[in-house]
Amino acid sequence: TQLLEQSPQFLSIQEGENLTVYCNSSSVFSSLQWYRQEPGEGPVLLVTVVTGGEVKKLKRLTFQFGDARKDSSLHITAAQPGDTGLYLCAGDEGAGNMLTFGGGTRLMVKP
Amino acid sequence: EAQVTQNPRYLITVTGKKLTVTCSQNMNHEYMSWYRQDPGLGLRQIYYSMNVEVTDKGDVPEGYKVSRKEKRNFPLILESPSPNQTSLYFCASSLYRVGEQYFGPGTRLTVT
Repeated sequence: TQLLEQSPQFLSIQEGENLTVYCNSSSVFSSLQWYRQEPGEGPVLLVTVVTGGEVKKLKRLTFQFGDARKDSSLHITAAQPGDTGLYLCAGDEGAGNMLTFGGGTRLMVKP
Repeated sequence: EAQVTQNPRYLITVTGKKLTVTCSQNMNHEYMSWYRQDPGLGLRQIYYSMNVEVTDKGDVPEGYKVSRKEKRNFPLILESPSPNQTSLYFCASSLYRVGEQYFGPGTRLTVT
């Protein structure tokens, strides 16, 4: 059982549609990171959220950290083919020396 | 250009034949990690290092070794690879313990 559950696992949509992906846990996190990974490359950090209830925007991407710091969501407005990739969330429980990654959401945006 | 490099990018080997995957970073980061990525399981940490000569186990260390003799290099060693180690491997470095991870391009390993 993964500490961080991401849903959906797969998502295929048309260009211009909106979508939301989720990252859920029963654990509380000190901070949570979102990465995007394109084929043949390593993940690249999009954003870090650290405060319960925090909302961060990155162009058409909106990230939210749950009030209880147990969950997070990523909303994409008017998706474009360039948004295609694997989206990973990663949480820091505040103990130990590692991040815990979710299983990822694989997004495909068709032109 | 700030980057993490890994070599080789692709490797096909046979069970039991020792191999090393190299990793190097040019950002002077203290922390370096190795992850493996398997479908549906996300990234799982194999080993990490907080500084030269300081390494520790991650979530899935069995069958792997690492060393950190220089700050910039963090090789991953498989002494006797087995088919269940077939995976996509990523090296990463970071400035802080759980800060932004800078990932290398990945090494796809197949053990037959």
